[in-house]
Amino acid sequence: DIVMTQSPLSLPVTPGEPASMSCRSSQSLLHSNGYTYLDWYLQKPGKSPQLLIYMGSNRASGVPDRFSGSGSGTYFTLKISRVEAEDVGVYYCMQALQTRAVTFGGGTKVVI
Amino acid sequence: QVQLQESGPGLVKPSETLSLTCTVSGDPISNYYWSWIRQPPGKGLEWVGHIGSRGGTNYNPSLKSRVTISLDTSKNQFSLKLTSVTAADTAVYYCARFGYPRGDWSFYFMDVWGQGTTVTVSS
Repeated sequence: DIVMTQSPLSLPVTPGEPASMSCRSSQSLLHSNGYTYLDWYLQKPGKSPQLLIYMGSNRASGVPDRFSGSGSGTYFTLKISRVEAEDVGVYYCMQALQTRAVTFGGGTKVVI
Repeated sequence: QVQLQESGPGLVKPSETLSLTCTVSGDPISNYYWSWIRQPPGKGLEWVGHIGSRGGTNYNPSLKSRVTISLDTSKNQFSLKLTSVTAADTAVYYCARFGYPRGDWSFYFMDVWGQGTTVTVSS
């Protein structure tokens, strides 16, 4: 199975400042079709997770453009250009290249 | 607007079977893949399994011997059964839409989630 490792575990942020977190996979997430099967989710306190970024770098519908996903192969980054108070929560990366064993990272908790 | 709603018992006795249903509104269930995810108290997300529109399934290897996911297109629902439950199966269970086929390939991402339902395993 593909192991997903996120860092840092906890990320203190300041509103208005940029923030960045990383996700590493134990195998490349590049499919033979040229797409990267890596997604990012945010789980706000007490809420269901919501999709932020899909296929590596595509913002989901309704997601503010301050969120961006980048990376390739086994190393990926989620960036917030200017953090807002509503961005607090736990961020998860997930690989869906191996659909027989979909795996999530352990999460990065963003705190103000 | 697609909406998902989980339903089922909130309390299950040890060794019994956990049964949950996800009702999909706003789009035919036959167009997509559908998934169950769970989150034990205070822990991260764990994929349980998913099902395609033709009924093909994939399950978490650690749960495979106990899990069954099925589809009911007439009711626009999909369901989860987890047998022989223990306290370790206590979690919030989410259903989610999990992508779609496109030509020779499929794209997988969980873009619509239910609100989640808490299941406690206890006697």
